[in-house]
Amino acid sequence: DAMVIQNPRYQVTQFGKPVTLSCSQTLNHNVMYWYQQKSSQAPKLLFHYYDKDFNNEADTPDNFQSRRPNTSFCFLDIRSPGLGDAAMYLCATQSYNEQFFGPGTRLTVL
Amino acid sequence: QKEVEQNSGPLSVPEGAIASLNCTYSDRGSQSFFWYRQYSGKSPELIMFIYSNGDKEDGRFTAQLNKASQYVSLLIRDSQPSDSATYLCAVSNTGKLIFGQGTTLQVKP
Repeated sequence: DAMVIQNPRYQVTQFGKPVTLSCSQTLNHNVMYWYQQKSSQAPKLLFHYYDKDFNNEADTPDNFQSRRPNTSFCFLDIRSPGLGDAAMYLCATQSYNEQFFGPGTRLTVL
Repeated sequence: QKEVEQNSGPLSVPEGAIASLNCTYSDRGSQSFFWYRQYSGKSPELIMFIYSNGDKEDGRFTAQLNKASQYVSLLIRDSQPSDSATYLCAVSNTGKLIFGQGTTLQVKP
């Protein structure tokens, strides 16, 4: 039944060690988003795709990259994670005006 | 000034009471307004959306929108302990959502 799937649910990495988070969807939605959410804060938009058109938020650090090889899959790459990148990473898809979130990946940086 | 503002709370209400959650926004061009519920450690879940001025009811939830005042609210009637969560207000103009930081609601048995 899961419509937006994120893997892994929990990720532990070391300072500076690259990490990739994945998101897949069974909804066939054109629009996909990546958010970063830190404790007690609002979700912060990092990127979004409309089909394969990539849109980078102005304040998203260069350390964060994204790939969308097809409609169903989207990846978030963090090239050199710092302690400040520890957060929940949320993937979402959109149909009309409604966004549907995956369960999130909790990233810990040691 | 933040684009979407919410009182972080916590807002504490007794079981069975009405909980009132408020949100203001700065972009007068905003067209769509959403309320998400987020349990601790979980992802946001859409509970209501509203596009037009006035009230919209869905079960125990009522969303209220006043574009002139740039104000949107969520009322939860007959609050239950299971309603205890953080409620995120989100506003959209271009399709992208701008979130407030959320209001934590505690419903005490």
